[in-house]
Amino acid sequence: EVQLLESGGGSVQPGGSLRLSCAGSGFTFSNYDMSWVRQIPGKGLEWVSGISTSGGGTYYADSVKGRFTISRDNSKHTLYLQMNSLRAEDTALYFCASGQWYLPDWGQGTLVTVSS
Amino acid sequence: QSALTQPPSASGSPGQSVTISCTGTSSDVGGYNSVSWYQQHPGKAPKLMIFEVTKRPSGVPDRFSGSKSGNTASLTVSGLQAEDEADYYCSSFAYSNNLVFGTGTKVTVL
Repeated sequence: EVQLLESGGGSVQPGGSLRLSCAGSGFTFSNYDMSWVRQIPGKGLEWVSGISTSGGGTYYADSVKGRFTISRDNSKHTLYLQMNSLRAEDTALYFCASGQWYLPDWGQGTLVTVSS
Repeated sequence: QSALTQPPSASGSPGQSVTISCTGTSSDVGGYNSVSWYQQHPGKAPKLMIFEVTKRPSGVPDRFSGSKSGNTASLTVSGLQAEDEADYYCSSFAYSNNLVFGTGTKVTVL
């Protein structure tokens, strides 16, 4: 059974940083592109970033470009999202998902709150 | 990249069909056969229902079907069941290697 478990969310002040992690199990992690998607509670989905199997290709939404960095460690079956210069509008539930242009499996999300 | 446009709500009685539209541009929906649909129940993660416009992942009932014409994609749920009541989101690959989601549609089973 595919499992994706996000961690690293929490409360941070504007301008601060957080690093999210997503541990994958039940599938060959290194064979799958991976993505981050966020959702403000009660609102719609927003794609944040995607990464190719090797990590050589990375893609970002304009809203996070230059502030967020996606990476992966295939030896640890883990996906990361380094979030810098956080803003109030980054407050959301962050999901990791397998795939890049369609997303077959999702984690349950980790909540990031940016507030002073 | 602007969100794809979906109607805020749709409804139908059990056994009926409901169709949800997803309108984009030639830079996303119209330009690629890479439209997906997701179902999300309250407090749950999204679930992939359709990918590459018409394909169903294993385990998704054939009551769910997808199509596309021009810049508009559609999801049809036939034989509505109570458990189909959920939010539905479309998504599409977009020019410049982006993924764009739709605004979401709340489906109510009357």
